[in-house]
Amino acid sequence: TQLLEQSPQFLSIQEGENLTVYCNSSSVFSSLQWYRQEPGEGPVLLVTVVTGGEVKKLKRLTFQFGDARKDSSLHITAAQPGDTGLYLCAGARGNEKLTFGTGTRLTIIP
Amino acid sequence: EPEVTQTPSHQVTQMGQEVILRCVPISNHLYFYWYRQILGQKVEFLVSFYNNEISEKSEIFDDQFSVERPDGSNFTLKIRSTKLEDSAMYFCASSAYNEQFFGPGTRLTVL
Repeated sequence: TQLLEQSPQFLSIQEGENLTVYCNSSSVFSSLQWYRQEPGEGPVLLVTVVTGGEVKKLKRLTFQFGDARKDSSLHITAAQPGDTGLYLCAGARGNEKLTFGTGTRLTIIP
Repeated sequence: EPEVTQTPSHQVTQMGQEVILRCVPISNHLYFYWYRQILGQKVEFLVSFYNNEISEKSEIFDDQFSVERPDGSNFTLKIRSTKLEDSAMYFCASSAYNEQFFGPGTRLTVL
């Protein structure tokens, strides 16, 4: 059974601070995707990482795939209230099902 | 920008009734998926579909469930004899290769 553990589960920080969310697994994935989900809506794809050690940037968000393709991190610089939401990592092998992480609920306090 | 669409957005049904949830995947995508999310829980995989057949299904996807691609654009999930525990958000997703794009979901409530 492939499991993806995210940490922390909840994170509440002040606007302007930096934060890192972790996504860890004992399984190897061919790709790992990060989504953001608002209440009552579908997950929205933020980024896909496919190569071990790969780093992708999306404005103030930096995503990294671990060298062994078992883990990933999301770093947000100078967090803003608009970053508040549920962040999900999900791993896949090729076109197979996504295995979702447990989620990190982020709250940015103005 | 192309997107996955789902109908209806909300569905309320009586226990034991059949429901059909509909999805229109992104037009050039070949891989289709259904996931569900029970309130407060993780998104969990139900079934994947490629080349007009099921490519993988989870243990949740038993004989109560079926999927169909009735034409070139729609992808449906049928749930027969609904149970209370089927109440959840159901998401359709489609993919061209390794990126899955999700629809807005159908909230199914079984009374």
